[in-house]
Formats: sequence, structure tokens, C-alpha cells
Amino acid sequence: AQSVAQPEDQVNVAEGNPLTVKCTYSVSGNPYLFWYVQYPNRGLQFLLKYITGDNLVKGSYGFEAEFNKSQTSFHLKKPSALVSDSALYFCAVRGPSGGSYIPTFGRGTSLIVHP
Amino acid sequence: ETGVTQTPRHLVMGMTNKKSLKCEQHLGHNAMYWYKQSAKKPLELMFVYSLEERVENNSVPSRFSPECPNSSHLFLHLHTLQPEDSALYLCASSQDGGQATDTQYFGPGTRLTVL
Repeated sequence: AQSVAQPEDQVNVAEGNPLTVKCTYSVSGNPYLFWYVQYPNRGLQFLLKYITGDNLVKGSYGFEAEFNKSQTSFHLKKPSALVSDSALYFCAVRGPSGGSYIPTFGRGTSLIVHP
Repeated sequence: ETGVTQTPRHLVMGMTNKKSLKCEQHLGHNAMYWYKQSAKKPLELMFVYSLEERVENNSVPSRFSPECPNSSHLFLHLHTLQPEDSALYLCASSQDGGQATDTQYFGPGTRLTVL
């Protein structure tokens, strides 16, 4: 069975500082990894995904994520945080399930960026 | 906006009521999903439809009944719910639910409160 762990319920960072939101995964076979963001009273929005190739994936709004196979991690990063980045972030993995690929999400990490 | 709409946005119902949630996608996708989002818990996948056929049912109680009349519409019929069913119900769609690289697009959700 596949799983995703987001070890931090909340991450606090000052505006202008770099941010990291952590994610580790467990899946049989090749990992297909995703990050989504959820703003208040909205659904989840796709940020980026890792399928294959370069371990550093660039996505929307200046976010990037680094795939590390040996550590089974896919941490989300941004060089300089904005107050508007404050939101709930979800990591997800897609793995095989009965011939299909079903997504599994983590609990989410609340990012709070202070002015 | 993501191209996925959900109605109603808010719903309050008693335990003996029958109601339905509606989801519509305008993206030409072939797969649709229902998720339950509760505070401090991972996103729970409830149902997956691909080409209007159910391909995944994660042991959801029978008081939740999905319906997918065509690839653009998805319903969740509710009856005799319990207070613990109160949550945000999210609908999502994707191009091809069976592909590992498939990205999901989410609606804004229906906030359900069961009294």
C-alpha cells in the first residue's frame, strides 16, 4: 500500500525568507508525486508534479520541489516566501491499484508567512 | 477557476434528510472523483469514476451513493447521515484516471453540516 507523510502540521516563516514544506512517501514501483495548495474556502490547486527526469521540479507561483529517491522525499521549496503563500499544502503520490493509479494524499501542512 | 463547479457550496441537513451534491466539469476530462476532507486528517478518496464506470470505492458507507450519468457530471446522494459525516466534500476531475501522471483539478467543495 502506498502512503504519504507530511510530518509538520504547521510551518511558520517570515516574509522574504526561504520556505520548505516536507513530504516523504512510500510506494511500490516508480513514484509519481504531486503538490497541491488549498486557499481558504477553495478547492485544491495543482502546483507541480514529478514524473521522471530532473530531480528539481519547477511549478506555479515560484514553487519548486526536490525529488530524493534515497530519502523517499519530495520537499516543496520557495526561495523567498510571500504573505500570500499562506495556505494549506498537500503532497500526493499516485501508485498502482488494481490496474489503475489511485492518488493518496497527506494530511496537509499549514504554511503561515508572517509580514 | 479550475473548470470544476460544485453545488451547493454549503448544506445543513438533519440525520433523516435526503440530499444530493452536484459536480460538473467543463474540461473534457474522462475521470471524476469524490473526496472527503476533515480537519487534521488526510484527504479521503471516496469514489472514482472513469468513463462513467466506477473503478474505485474505498469502503464508503452505503449512506453515500454516487451517480455519474455522463463524463461531465457527478452526484453524491446522501441519506440518513451521521454527525461525523460533517466535512468538506470535494469533487475533482482528470483527463485519464488510470494514468499515473494524471493531474487532478478540484472544485471549491461543499461544506456539509449534519445536525
